[in-house]
Amino acid sequence: GQQLNQSPQSMFIQEGEDVSMNCTSSSIFNTWLWYKQDPGEGPVLLIALYKAGELTSNGRLTAQFGITRKDSFLNISASIPSDVGIYFCAGQPNTGNQFYFGTGTSLTVIP
Amino acid sequence: NAGVTQTPKFRVLKTGQSMTLLCAQDMNHEYMYWYRQDPGMGLRLIHYSVGEGTTAKGEVPDGYNVSRLKKQNFLLGLESAAPSQTSVYFCASSWGTQETQYFGPGTRLLVL
Repeated sequence: GQQLNQSPQSMFIQEGEDVSMNCTSSSIFNTWLWYKQDPGEGPVLLIALYKAGELTSNGRLTAQFGITRKDSFLNISASIPSDVGIYFCAGQPNTGNQFYFGTGTSLTVIP
Repeated sequence: NAGVTQTPKFRVLKTGQSMTLLCAQDMNHEYMYWYRQDPGMGLRLIHYSVGEGTTAKGEVPDGYNVSRLKKQNFLLGLESAAPSQTSVYFCASSWGTQETQYFGPGTRLLVL
């Protein structure tokens, strides 16, 4: 299957700091999605990206669809304690109906 | 709307036992999916369905079967459970192949 490399694996930050994480693939993707998963819950969609170069915001979150179509980035500004959770990227290649998920970035926000 | 619901929330099985996980969605979505989530491996697609009466294999289909007899339900079956199937199982649904997937709360399965 497709390999999605997500980094960093984990982050420990102070409340108020900005956060950046990224996801890279070995092949070209048509769609990138970013999800957040709270403990004991299913993933919830944060941002969807459909065009190379696209920059989309959702409150304090901003995500970008990389120009090469092989990567995507998520930034969180002015982090707060409720940002704690695991963030997953997911990408869909040209062919097929399947989305492939990254291994997740675990975010801990220290008050 | 309840969105996507999964039954049961938690189950313990002995090796060789069988069980069925039920996923239901009330959003009239055409597409439904079953994933498993293991530590450090993200979500991996087991099977999916593009409409009532259809199913297709995903990335890790071995040891599982699925059925989509009704549009709103997607069943995942384990005929003979193995310890390697200990995992958290998530169901998801979407309008179409490129559309957002909405996830259920998960089913935690432990196979002894």
